Formats: sequence, C-alpha cells, structure tokens
Amino acid sequence: AQTVTQSQPEMSVQEAETVTLSCTYDTSESDYYLFWYKQPPSRQMILVIRQEAYKQQNATENRFSVNFQKAAKSFSLKISDSQLGDAAMYFCAYRWGGSEKLVFGKGTKLTVNP
Amino acid sequence: EPEVTQTPSHQVTQMGQEVILRCVPISNHLYFYWYRQILGQKVEFLVSFYNNEISEKSEIFDDQFSVERPDGSNFTLKIRSTKLEDSAMYFCASGQDRGYNEQFFGPGTRLTVL
Repeated sequence: AQTVTQSQPEMSVQEAETVTLSCTYDTSESDYYLFWYKQPPSRQMILVIRQEAYKQQNATENRFSVNFQKAAKSFSLKISDSQLGDAAMYFCAYRWGGSEKLVFGKGTKLTVNP
Repeated sequence: EPEVTQTPSHQVTQMGQEVILRCVPISNHLYFYWYRQILGQKVEFLVSFYNNEISEKSEIFDDQFSVERPDGSNFTLKIRSTKLEDSAMYFCASGQDRGYNEQFFGPGTRLTVL
C-alpha cells in the first residue's frame, strides 16, 4: 500500500528564516507525482508545489523548493525567507500515475514567529 | 480567481439520518472528488467522478455513500444512513485533468453525527 509519512506534527520558524518540512513515502510504482499542499486556518487547501517522479531536477516555485530524493523516497519542502502568511498546515501528498486519488500525510503545522 | 465552494460549512445530524453535502466545482473542470478527514487523522480519498460516473472509489465508499452531478454545476455526496464514525470534515475537489494536474479543494463541510 502507498503511504505518506510526515514525521513533524509541528514546526516553527522565525520570520525571514528558512525552514524544511519532511515527508517520506512508500511505493513500488515508478510513475507517480508528489505534491505539497498548504491549508491556512479556516481556508481551503491550495497547491504549493509539485514534482514528477521521473524528473531528477527539484521543483522550485519562488520561495518554495523541494528536495526530492527518489531512492530514499523522500520529498522535503524548503521555505526560504519565511513570511507570516506562510503559517498554515502543510500536507505532503502522493498520486500514482494510474490512479485518481491523492494519498496524504498527516500534515505539519507551521508557525511563523515575528 | 475561481474557487470550489461547499455548503453547508457545518452540518449536524442524528445517527441514521440521510445527509447531502453539496459542492460547486470550478466551472471548466471535468474531474470531481470527495475526500474526508476524521479529526486527528489523515485526509482520505473517498471517490472520483468523471463523465457522469464513478471512476475510482476507496474501500470507505460503501453502499451507504453515493455521488451525483444533478446539473451542470453541482456535485453532491449523499450518506444514506449516517453513523457516529461518519463525523468528519468532507472536502470536495475538482480538476481539469488527472495525473500531474492540480486538484483544487473546497473549504470543507464539517459533519457531526450525534
């Protein structure tokens, strides 16, 4: 079964600093996609960044980047120059290429301190 | 920017009652999903819907659940006879395509079964 594990229930960071959120996954598939979703308090989940498994280059979206280690089945999210608006629940998710469903981790609650 | 909307935001019902959760997906999207999150647990996939039929469902999505797209804009999840363990946050999502493409989530409906 495909599983996603986020080992950090909560993290905190000082404004303008960098933080890394961890995610590992377990799959025997070779065709899959990985995602990080952000859920601000009382708001819907929005996509932060995504990665295709066949691409070796790590995805980057402005201050957000990933460290994708395929052999280790690791997909961590780095947030640079953290801002107060980055405070949210962050979910790592996996999707096999032959399936519709997203498989989520339990989430990491990120607090940004001014 | 278009968003997925869900109504109601909170629904309280008695065990054994039927409930219908409503969603309005983004208008040009073709794929529709329901997920749920029991308090303190992971977000779990329930069902996906494409071309007016279920394309994939999880083992959670048993005979007491059904989905429908009654018109061109709404997407509903019906629970026929609610149980205490159906208490959860239910998220609707929609997407233009599958695979690498983003699923856009609604804000959720909190269902409380008494």
